[in-house]
Amino acid sequence: ETVLSQSPATLSLSPGDRATLSCRASQSVGNSLAWYQQKPGQSPRLLIYDTSNRATGIPARFSGSGSGTDFTLTISSLEPEDFAVYYCYQRTNWFTFGPGTKVDMK
Amino acid sequence: QVQLQESGPGLVKPSQTLSLTCTVSGGSISTTLYYWTWIRQHPGKGLEWIGHIYSGGSTYYNPSLESRLTMSVDTSKNQFSLKLRSVTAADTAVYYCARVYNWNYDVWGPGTTVTVSS
Repeated sequence: ETVLSQSPATLSLSPGDRATLSCRASQSVGNSLAWYQQKPGQSPRLLIYDTSNRATGIPARFSGSGSGTDFTLTISSLEPEDFAVYYCYQRTNWFTFGPGTKVDMK
Repeated sequence: QVQLQESGPGLVKPSQTLSLTCTVSGGSISTTLYYWTWIRQHPGKGLEWIGHIYSGGSTYYNPSLESRLTMSVDTSKNQFSLKLRSVTAADTAVYYCARVYNWNYDVWGPGTTVTVSS
């Protein structure tokens, strides 16, 4: 099983700030890494798949990069609705999620 | 637009079987493009994949749950189901069903809370 770790655990930012979230895999997952957003009381939502592809309806301020074991989700300018928990996910060696990064308002 | 809805008891006694159903509307569960999945989230915690099922019945189960888990599909009702046996308090969670496309989860149900308690 591939273990995913995420950093930081919490990111305190203001609207308009740039957010950079990291995900590290215990072994290579190639480019098979996705990101999900979850707001309180809601189901997760697919944001990015295969490292850098935005899912349907996802704004261009969300972007993903990386390969192998190190990946990044960037939100170029935070909107109020972006404050949420973000999970990375891999589908190479079974199917596992990271522990999440909470982006909260400073 | 495809929608998913979980249903089942919100309270299950320890050692009993947790049974949930996901009803798919707005599209056929039999389409060859998709698998279907169950994912759970323990209170205040992250996400745990439970298993995938295809409309033809083939399955992938989380190895940590496989000995207690059965997933099934009823194409006539456009539903798929989860049975988890011998539950304990550690199985208390929000259970989500979702659609699987290219091994990613692109449509989710709202989730259902299951508490294991006597």
